[in-house]
Amino acid sequence: AIPLTQSPSSLSASVGDRVIITCRASQGIGRALAWYQQKPGKPPKVLITDASSLESGVPSRFSGSGSGTDFTLTISSLQPEDFATYYCLQFNRHPQTFGQGTKLEVK
Amino acid sequence: QVQLLQSGPEVKKPGASVKVSCKASGSTFTSYGITWVRQAPGQGLQYMGWINTYNGNTDSTESLQGRVTMTRDTSTTTAYMELRSLKSDDTAVYYCARNCDSSSYSPPCFWGQGTQVIVSS
Repeated sequence: AIPLTQSPSSLSASVGDRVIITCRASQGIGRALAWYQQKPGKPPKVLITDASSLESGVPSRFSGSGSGTDFTLTISSLQPEDFATYYCLQFNRHPQTFGQGTKLEVK
Repeated sequence: QVQLLQSGPEVKKPGASVKVSCKASGSTFTSYGITWVRQAPGQGLQYMGWINTYNGNTDSTESLQGRVTMTRDTSTTTAYMELRSLKSDDTAVYYCARNCDSSSYSPPCFWGQGTQVIVSS
């Protein structure tokens, strides 16, 4: 399995802030990385696939970048509904693996 | 629209088995794999494995191999996940999800509502 390391594990921010979450793979995975948002009691929601492809209906303030081992999720201007936990997932190789999550909280 | 409807909550004793169902609608069932993910209370997401709904081939994470079986019934467009020899740390919400595309290397896109499984004596 390919471990993924997300940082930070938690983050306090304010509405309007620019936020960056990183995800590092233990070995190269090309661009086979997805980002998910999860709110309490709900299933995850896919935001980005293939490292930077925004899924339909996802606001343009979300963006992804990276390839190989280092990836980032950027929220350009935080909105109240963005406070949630974010996970990266590699799908380059089976078994797929998730990062440990980043909890984004209100400052 | 794509929907996945999972079976209801379960309470099981240690050593028992549980079988969770996941009925898919809104797309051609055999064109997209189904992935299973679980989440223990207060913890992160754990990938469990996936089933190729076209040919029934499966792959699961090493830590669950030997205890988990994923199957599908194409006639009812339903996927199943059975976990045996349950332990208390199998207590979790179990999710099924339809993959984003028909590739064997696709992330999950469309998620079921989750099934709570509690393992307790």
